[in-house]
Amino acid sequence: QMQLVQSGPEVKKPGTSVKVSCKASGFTFTSSAMQWVRQARGQRLEWIGWIVVGSGNTNYAQKFQERVTITRDMSTSTAYMELSSLRSEDTAVYYCARGPDAFDIWGQGTMVTVSS
Amino acid sequence: SYELTQPPSVSVSPGQTARITCSGDALPKQYAYWYQQKPGQAPVLVIYKDSERPSGIPERFSGSSSGTTVTLTISGVQAEDEADYYCQSADSSGTIVFGGGTKLTVL
Repeated sequence: QMQLVQSGPEVKKPGTSVKVSCKASGFTFTSSAMQWVRQARGQRLEWIGWIVVGSGNTNYAQKFQERVTITRDMSTSTAYMELSSLRSEDTAVYYCARGPDAFDIWGQGTMVTVSS
Repeated sequence: SYELTQPPSVSVSPGQTARITCSGDALPKQYAYWYQQKPGQAPVLVIYKDSERPSGIPERFSGSSSGTTVTLTISGVQAEDEADYYCQSADSSGTIVFGGGTKLTVL
């Protein structure tokens, strides 16, 4: 079946970086776009950015423009989201989802905790 | 920045109809999507392109659009429909935006 499986929880110190992976299976990864969304506890969903898998083109939310990098490895059908200069406000569950329009398949989420 | 506005909460009794609205200036030109999220779970797509229902989503879920407002309607609400619902769309530059979410309570 079509699914996205994300990497496990992370605990990071302020100022460091985190890289979350998202492995796709059951559909043609190279024909997809992969989105990244986060959700702090009790808060709304917040879009981070996306990558068109085939071309590698990316589009980032302005809020994250200078701190986020989304990449993909077509050989392993895996997308990655790296967020740098972490601060406590980045503590959230990070989701990948298949795009580009409707987010029809979601990963299980990765909890990222930023704490000194 | 572009915003989508949803009511924070909606309450209905089982068997009644729930309507959740989402307002945004760009909605006449951009499709809207709706997601259901239960506690501790990832969101699930329930409506795409304003009114289309993905396979596997019950027929009681429907969507509509009128001007700057889109509406998710759940007919014959069941206890299992209690969840947070989020609308999603895009602005003219392609930036994706989510609404603030609506907590549906089944009384």
